[in-house]
Amino acid sequence: ETGVTQSPTHLIKTRGQQVTLRCSSQSGHNTVSWYQQALGQGPQFIFQYYREEENGRGNFPPRFSGLQFPNYSSELNVNALELDDSALYLCASSEKDSNYGYTFGSGTRLTVV
Amino acid sequence: DAKTTQPTSMDCAEGRAANLPCNHSTISGNEYVYWYRQIHSQGPQYIIHGLKNNETNEMASLIITEDRKSSTLILPHATLRDTAVYYCIVRVDNAGNMLTFGGGTRLMVKP
Repeated sequence: ETGVTQSPTHLIKTRGQQVTLRCSSQSGHNTVSWYQQALGQGPQFIFQYYREEENGRGNFPPRFSGLQFPNYSSELNVNALELDDSALYLCASSEKDSNYGYTFGSGTRLTVV
Repeated sequence: DAKTTQPTSMDCAEGRAANLPCNHSTISGNEYVYWYRQIHSQGPQYIIHGLKNNETNEMASLIITEDRKSSTLILPHATLRDTAVYYCIVRVDNAGNMLTFGGGTRLMVKP
């Protein structure tokens, strides 16, 4: 049973550019969530996908968007990057309505310069 | 989801029990208590969760007070690899709901 894998592990982008981060969910998990973690803070919920549709969203602007594919993998897209978007982006998968916790990946460290 | 309060940091000697407290005085009857930890440079890791009964698994024990307004995560024999930030989260037990992380407790296990 594989865990959650994210790619790339590190990324440097310039302000104003666009970025796509990828996540492969754990085998058997059909729900994917994305979190942003700024340095020294707890993760903040961005959104969740279930059956290829957004299933909840946190307090993030529309330039943060996502996709979920039929194999339950997912992408996080961020347009018009700002310096404050520099953070660790975490993907977490779970089974819908499962009684157990989420499985997190190790994250993608995004630096916007 | 109910708000939680945790100490910012704690130290523990290697081999001793680590007791991490969490206050959640506004918890609702249908909200569970979840614990995650985050080791440096890794994603958060699920540890344990419970509703009102005490719970134990291979990683830790969770003690919830009778009024459910506070709980304690116990690592019975802390090792250096248990050094991490520990997050206490309360939420309705539905995987469709997001996890609301606070600042957590930074546990330092010392030799």
